[in-house]
Amino acid sequence: QVQLQESGPGLVKPSETLSLTCTVSGGSVSSGSYYWSWIRQPPGKGLEWIGYIYYSGSTNYNPSLKSRVTISVDTSKNQFSLKLSSVTAADTAVYYCARDKSGSPKYGMDVWGQGTTVTVSS
Amino acid sequence: EIVLTQSPATLSLSPGERATLSCRASQSVSSYLAWYQQKPGQAPRLLIYDASNRATGIPARFSGSGSGTDFTLTISSLEPEDFAVYYCQQRSNWPPRVTFGQGTRLEIK
Repeated sequence: QVQLQESGPGLVKPSETLSLTCTVSGGSVSSGSYYWSWIRQPPGKGLEWIGYIYYSGSTNYNPSLKSRVTISVDTSKNQFSLKLSSVTAADTAVYYCARDKSGSPKYGMDVWGQGTTVTVSS
Repeated sequence: EIVLTQSPATLSLSPGERATLSCRASQSVSSYLAWYQQKPGQAPRLLIYDASNRATGIPARFSGSGSGTDFTLTISSLEPEDFAVYYCQQRSNWPPRVTFGQGTRLEIK
Protein backbone atom coordinates (compact mmCIF):
# COMPACT_ATOMS: atom_id res chain seq x y z
CA GLN A 1 0.00 0.00 0.00
CA VAL A 2 1.48 3.30 -1.10
CA GLN A 3 1.96 5.94 1.58
CA LEU A 4 3.13 9.54 1.32
CA GLN A 5 4.77 11.55 4.09
CA GLU A 6 5.52 15.26 4.01
CA SER A 7 8.46 16.71 5.92
CA GLY A 8 10.12 20.08 6.34
CA PRO A 9 10.30 23.17 8.56
CA GLY A 10 7.09 24.23 10.21
CA LEU A 11 8.15 27.87 10.42
CA VAL A 12 9.53 29.99 7.60
CA LYS A 13 10.44 33.69 7.72
CA PRO A 14 8.84 36.15 5.28
CA SER A 15 10.76 36.57 2.01
CA GLU A 16 12.55 33.25 2.50
CA THR A 17 12.05 29.97 0.63
CA LEU A 18 9.72 27.25 1.87
CA SER A 19 11.11 23.75 1.25
CA LEU A 20 9.16 20.53 1.73
CA THR A 21 9.79 16.91 0.81
CA CYS A 22 7.34 14.08 0.21
CA THR A 23 8.66 10.58 0.77
CA VAL A 24 6.94 7.74 -1.08
CA SER A 25 6.80 4.32 0.58
CA GLY A 26 5.23 1.11 -0.67
CA GLY A 27 5.60 2.29 -4.25
CA SER A 28 7.97 4.06 -6.59
CA VAL A 29 8.10 7.69 -7.62
CA SER A 30 9.71 6.37 -10.81
CA SER A 31 6.44 4.77 -11.88
CA GLY A 32 5.35 6.18 -15.19
CA SER A 33 1.74 5.75 -14.14
CA TYR A 34 1.47 8.75 -11.83
CA TYR A 35 1.84 12.46 -11.38
CA TRP A 36 3.10 13.54 -7.97
CA SER A 37 1.28 16.62 -6.73
CA TRP A 38 1.44 19.34 -4.12
CA ILE A 39 -1.75 20.93 -2.77
CA ARG A 40 -2.16 23.44 0.03
CA GLN A 41 -4.95 24.60 2.32
CA PRO A 42 -4.79 27.93 4.18
CA PRO A 43 -6.37 27.90 7.64
CA GLY A 44 -10.16 27.64 7.38
CA LYS A 45 -10.09 27.73 3.57
CA GLY A 46 -10.33 25.38 0.62
CA LEU A 47 -7.83 23.35 -1.36
CA GLU A 48 -5.41 24.96 -3.82
CA TRP A 49 -3.39 22.98 -6.32
CA ILE A 50 0.27 24.03 -6.46
CA GLY A 51 1.62 21.75 -9.18
CA TYR A 52 2.73 18.27 -10.12
CA ILE A 53 5.75 16.43 -11.45
CA TYR A 54 6.21 13.31 -13.55
CA TYR A 55 9.07 10.90 -12.84
CA SER A 56 10.90 12.24 -15.90
CA GLY A 57 11.06 15.67 -14.27
CA SER A 58 8.34 17.23 -16.39
CA THR A 59 6.29 19.70 -14.33
CA ASN A 60 3.10 21.73 -14.43
CA TYR A 61 2.31 24.54 -12.04
CA ASN A 62 -0.62 26.64 -10.96
CA PRO A 63 -0.27 29.87 -13.00
CA SER A 64 -0.93 31.96 -9.90
CA LEU A 65 2.16 30.48 -8.19
CA LYS A 66 4.32 29.57 -11.17
CA SER A 67 6.86 32.36 -10.77
CA ARG A 68 7.70 31.20 -7.23
CA VAL A 69 7.34 27.40 -7.39
CA THR A 70 9.80 24.64 -8.19
CA ILE A 71 8.89 20.96 -7.88
CA SER A 72 11.63 18.38 -8.30
CA VAL A 73 11.97 14.61 -8.02
CA ASP A 74 14.75 12.46 -6.59
CA THR A 75 14.22 8.92 -7.81
CA SER A 76 17.21 7.61 -5.84
CA LYS A 77 15.54 8.64 -2.59
CA ASN A 78 11.99 7.94 -3.79
CA GLN A 79 11.03 11.53 -2.96
CA PHE A 80 9.69 14.64 -4.59
CA SER A 81 10.06 18.15 -3.28
CA LEU A 82 8.48 21.59 -3.27
CA LYS A 83 10.23 24.94 -3.10
CA LEU A 84 8.21 28.15 -2.81
CA SER A 85 10.23 31.34 -2.84
CA SER A 86 9.59 34.81 -1.45
CA VAL A 87 6.95 33.60 0.98
CA THR A 88 4.52 35.87 2.79
CA ALA A 89 1.90 35.29 5.47
CA ALA A 90 -0.52 34.35 2.69
CA ASP A 91 1.53 31.18 2.14
CA THR A 92 0.72 29.93 5.64
CA ALA A 93 -1.14 26.67 5.07
CA VAL A 94 -1.26 22.93 5.47
CA TYR A 95 0.72 21.48 2.59
CA TYR A 96 -0.24 18.08 1.20
CA CYS A 97 1.45 15.81 -1.28
CA ALA A 98 -0.72 13.45 -3.32
CA ARG A 99 -0.66 10.93 -6.14
CA ASP A 100 -2.63 11.39 -9.36
CA LYS A 101 -2.80 8.89 -12.17
CA SER A 102 -1.12 10.14 -15.31
CA GLY A 103 -2.63 9.89 -18.77
CA SER A 104 -6.40 10.10 -18.47
CA PRO A 105 -7.49 12.82 -16.01
CA LYS A 106 -10.47 10.82 -14.80
CA TYR A 107 -8.99 9.02 -11.81
CA GLY A 108 -8.51 11.69 -9.16
CA MET A 109 -5.90 11.84 -6.41
CA ASP A 110 -6.15 8.51 -4.66
CA VAL A 111 -3.31 8.70 -2.13
CA TRP A 112 -2.56 11.71 0.09
CA GLY A 113 -0.02 12.48 2.74
CA GLN A 114 -1.24 13.51 6.17
CA GLY A 115 -0.23 17.12 5.55
CA THR A 116 2.29 19.39 7.19
CA THR A 117 1.58 22.83 8.62
CA VAL A 118 3.82 25.65 7.49
CA THR A 119 3.59 29.05 9.16
CA VAL A 120 5.21 32.11 7.65
CA SER A 121 6.19 34.49 10.41
CA SER A 122 9.20 36.42 11.62
CA GLU B 1 -9.17 28.17 -16.75
CA ILE B 2 -12.03 25.96 -15.63
CA VAL B 3 -13.84 27.16 -12.51
CA LEU B 4 -15.80 24.73 -10.34
CA THR B 5 -18.67 26.16 -8.32
CA GLN B 6 -20.17 24.09 -5.52
CA SER B 7 -23.57 24.56 -3.95
CA PRO B 8 -24.81 24.96 -1.37
CA ALA B 9 -21.93 26.33 0.69
CA THR B 10 -23.42 24.69 3.78
CA LEU B 11 -25.98 21.91 4.02
CA SER B 12 -27.69 21.13 7.33
CA LEU B 13 -29.27 17.70 7.56
CA SER B 14 -29.99 14.98 10.09
CA PRO B 15 -28.62 11.44 10.19
CA GLY B 16 -30.66 9.17 7.98
CA GLU B 17 -31.56 11.93 5.54
CA ARG B 18 -30.46 12.13 1.90
CA ALA B 19 -27.79 14.66 0.93
CA THR B 20 -27.45 16.14 -2.53
CA LEU B 21 -24.37 18.26 -3.30
CA SER B 22 -23.80 20.07 -6.58
CA CYS B 23 -20.72 20.99 -8.58
CA ARG B 24 -20.93 23.08 -11.74
CA ALA B 25 -18.01 23.56 -14.15
CA SER B 26 -17.54 26.76 -16.16
CA GLN B 27 -16.97 24.62 -19.26
CA SER B 28 -17.32 20.97 -20.08
CA VAL B 29 -15.02 18.59 -18.24
CA SER B 30 -16.59 15.51 -19.84
CA SER B 31 -16.85 12.97 -17.00
CA TYR B 32 -13.47 13.88 -15.55
CA LEU B 33 -14.64 14.98 -12.13
CA ALA B 34 -13.72 13.68 -8.70
CA TRP B 35 -15.23 14.15 -5.25
CA TYR B 36 -13.36 14.22 -1.95
CA GLN B 37 -14.39 14.15 1.71
CA GLN B 38 -12.35 16.03 4.30
CA LYS B 39 -12.81 15.78 8.04
CA PRO B 40 -11.21 18.24 10.49
CA GLY B 41 -7.48 17.70 10.85
CA GLN B 42 -7.39 15.07 8.11
CA ALA B 43 -6.28 14.94 4.51
CA PRO B 44 -8.94 14.76 1.82
CA ARG B 45 -10.12 11.28 0.88
CA LEU B 46 -11.08 10.34 -2.66
CA LEU B 47 -14.73 9.25 -2.81
CA ILE B 48 -15.71 9.33 -6.47
CA TYR B 49 -13.70 9.50 -9.69
CA ASP B 50 -14.77 9.82 -13.30
CA ALA B 51 -18.01 11.40 -12.06
CA SER B 52 -19.69 8.18 -10.95
CA ASN B 53 -17.14 5.56 -9.91
CA ARG B 54 -16.64 4.88 -6.22
CA ALA B 55 -13.04 4.72 -5.05
CA THR B 56 -11.77 1.66 -3.24
CA GLY B 57 -13.47 1.09 0.10
CA ILE B 58 -16.11 3.79 -0.29
CA PRO B 59 -19.55 2.74 0.96
CA ALA B 60 -22.37 2.27 -1.50
CA ARG B 61 -24.41 5.09 0.07
CA PHE B 62 -22.11 7.50 -1.80
CA SER B 63 -22.91 7.96 -5.47
CA GLY B 64 -21.96 10.44 -8.15
CA SER B 65 -23.62 11.46 -11.36
CA GLY B 66 -23.38 13.99 -14.15
CA SER B 67 -21.30 14.88 -17.16
CA GLY B 68 -20.30 17.96 -19.05
CA THR B 69 -20.79 20.85 -16.66
CA ASP B 70 -23.23 19.63 -14.00
CA PHE B 71 -22.40 17.03 -11.38
CA THR B 72 -24.00 15.70 -8.22
CA LEU B 73 -22.74 13.82 -5.19
CA THR B 74 -25.50 11.99 -3.35
CA ILE B 75 -25.32 10.38 0.06
CA SER B 76 -28.39 8.19 0.27
CA SER B 77 -28.75 7.97 4.05
CA LEU B 78 -26.43 10.04 6.19
CA GLU B 79 -24.34 8.34 8.83
CA PRO B 80 -22.83 10.38 11.70
CA GLU B 81 -19.35 10.00 10.18
CA ASP B 82 -20.47 11.61 6.90
CA PHE B 83 -20.63 15.12 8.32
CA ALA B 84 -17.60 16.78 6.78
CA VAL B 85 -16.54 19.11 3.97
CA TYR B 86 -16.84 17.85 0.39
CA TYR B 87 -14.82 19.10 -2.58
CA CYS B 88 -15.13 18.49 -6.28
CA GLN B 89 -12.02 18.55 -8.46
CA GLN B 90 -11.07 18.33 -12.11
CA ARG B 91 -7.82 17.94 -14.00
CA SER B 92 -7.40 19.02 -17.60
CA ASN B 93 -4.60 17.77 -19.82
CA TRP B 94 -4.54 20.89 -21.95
CA PRO B 95 -3.78 23.29 -20.60
CA PRO B 96 -2.49 21.12 -17.76
CA ARG B 97 -4.37 22.35 -14.69
CA VAL B 98 -6.01 21.04 -11.57
CA THR B 99 -8.85 22.95 -9.93
CA PHE B 100 -10.97 22.38 -6.86
CA GLY B 101 -14.39 23.67 -5.99
CA GLN B 102 -14.67 25.86 -2.91
CA GLY B 103 -16.29 23.07 -0.89
CA THR B 104 -19.64 22.25 0.68
CA ARG B 105 -19.83 21.87 4.44
CA LEU B 106 -22.28 19.16 5.47
CA GLU B 107 -23.31 19.77 9.05
CA ILE B 108 -25.60 18.09 11.52
CA LYS B 109 -28.98 19.77 11.87
